[in-house]
Amino acid sequence: GQSLEQPSEVTAVEGAIVQINCTYQTSGFYGLSWYQQHDGGAPTFLSYNALDGLEETGRFSSFLSRSDSYGYLLLQELQMKDSASYFCAVEERRDDKIIFGKGTRLHILP
Amino acid sequence: GAVVSQHPSWVICKSGTSVKIECRSLDFQATTMFWYRQFPKQSLMLMATSNEGSKATYEQGVEKDKFLINHASLTLSTLTVTSAHPEDSSFYICSALLKDRSSYEQYFGPGTRLTVT
Repeated sequence: GQSLEQPSEVTAVEGAIVQINCTYQTSGFYGLSWYQQHDGGAPTFLSYNALDGLEETGRFSSFLSRSDSYGYLLLQELQMKDSASYFCAVEERRDDKIIFGKGTRLHILP
Repeated sequence: GAVVSQHPSWVICKSGTSVKIECRSLDFQATTMFWYRQFPKQSLMLMATSNEGSKATYEQGVEKDKFLINHASLTLSTLTVTSAHPEDSSFYICSALLKDRSSYEQYFGPGTRLTVT
């Protein structure tokens, strides 16, 4: 079966760094994506990894280890507006549907 | 970036009626669109894959006769919830697949909040 595991909630302090982990077990693997969703809104794309290593986009970075079926999203210099849910998602085959994890609710304290 | 719209953004309907939700890719053509449903504080659950000019592919457990999907053009897919019931109340989100020669990406619509009374 398919499963994506990520923590349900994470709390961090404004200005700090936080890492959200994701492990996956799927029948196929083409790439791992991360999405941010604020309450009442639609998901917005953050990053994508198809190859092992770190991808950096501003304050956000994402890492993938295909051999470990593991990835993480790293958020630096946290801001209050980063309070949201973060989903990892696996694309099993190119140009195919993506499977979402259950999401991690990030709480940021001032 | 590419833009996907949904209409309506929210709708309230009575139990037993049908509701149609539109998903449009505004500045690109999408041969493939996806429909998701999200209940409060839960993840997005894929309902079906909509391919232009062909029948939609439904995920296991999703009733195709209840959730009718039509992808009649390269920029429009519709989801019709037939004979809606209160348990169908949810946030429905579509996404469109943008492909070019070197990459592809899914762009999400803003979602439609359906409340069935």
